[in-house]
Amino acid sequence: EAGVVQSPRYKIIEKKQPVAFWCNPISGHNTLYWYLQNLGQGPELLIRYENEEAVDDSQLPKDRFSAERLKGVDSTLKIQPAELGDSAVYLCASSRQGVDEQFFGPGTRLTVL
Amino acid sequence: AQRVTQPEKLLSVFKGAPVELKCNYSYSGSPELFWYVQYSRQRLQLLLRHISRESIKGFTADLNKGETSFHLKKPFAQEEDSAMYYCALSGPGGFKTIFGAGTRLFVKA
Repeated sequence: EAGVVQSPRYKIIEKKQPVAFWCNPISGHNTLYWYLQNLGQGPELLIRYENEEAVDDSQLPKDRFSAERLKGVDSTLKIQPAELGDSAVYLCASSRQGVDEQFFGPGTRLTVL
Repeated sequence: AQRVTQPEKLLSVFKGAPVELKCNYSYSGSPELFWYVQYSRQRLQLLLRHISRESIKGFTADLNKGETSFHLKKPFAQEEDSAMYYCALSGPGGFKTIFGAGTRLFVKA
């Protein structure tokens, strides 16, 4: 099994440009998480989905970030417009249910110039 | 405020020496505690969780509610233990997952 799949693995954009990240969780995992990880820090939760419902998006900067999980499987995280401070690794994780073990993807490293 | 603190950014020990990675938390309630590990060029993965009370790869962690700590211990470190270790907690129902800043463990030969 491939595990959690994320694409792209790397993305370089100029500030003010839009960018989107895609995540395919492990089959059968109802819970999906998006995290932001800055250099030297631990992952910070941006949003958590239970199936297609966003049940915790309190840390998502809604002025420029958006996410969707339309059919309760794949998810997309978007930033528009990107700022220099958005340069980080964006991690996707999934689990069978909320308090279960989280399985992480390889992450997308975003560089905003 | 809910918080996970890992006071050491870097911990360097010799092979065969005991190792303890510290984790303290602040949470108003009964959280579930985890240790995640990231080996070089690999994904972040679960090492152990407090409710399972298992020993994984020789590591153990005991939840001390009085001291609000969940320190990770191993009696004899191995070179392959060199990695980044993150302590994390989740609230009831898995809400508010919070990670610490991580501790890099370096085991010297």
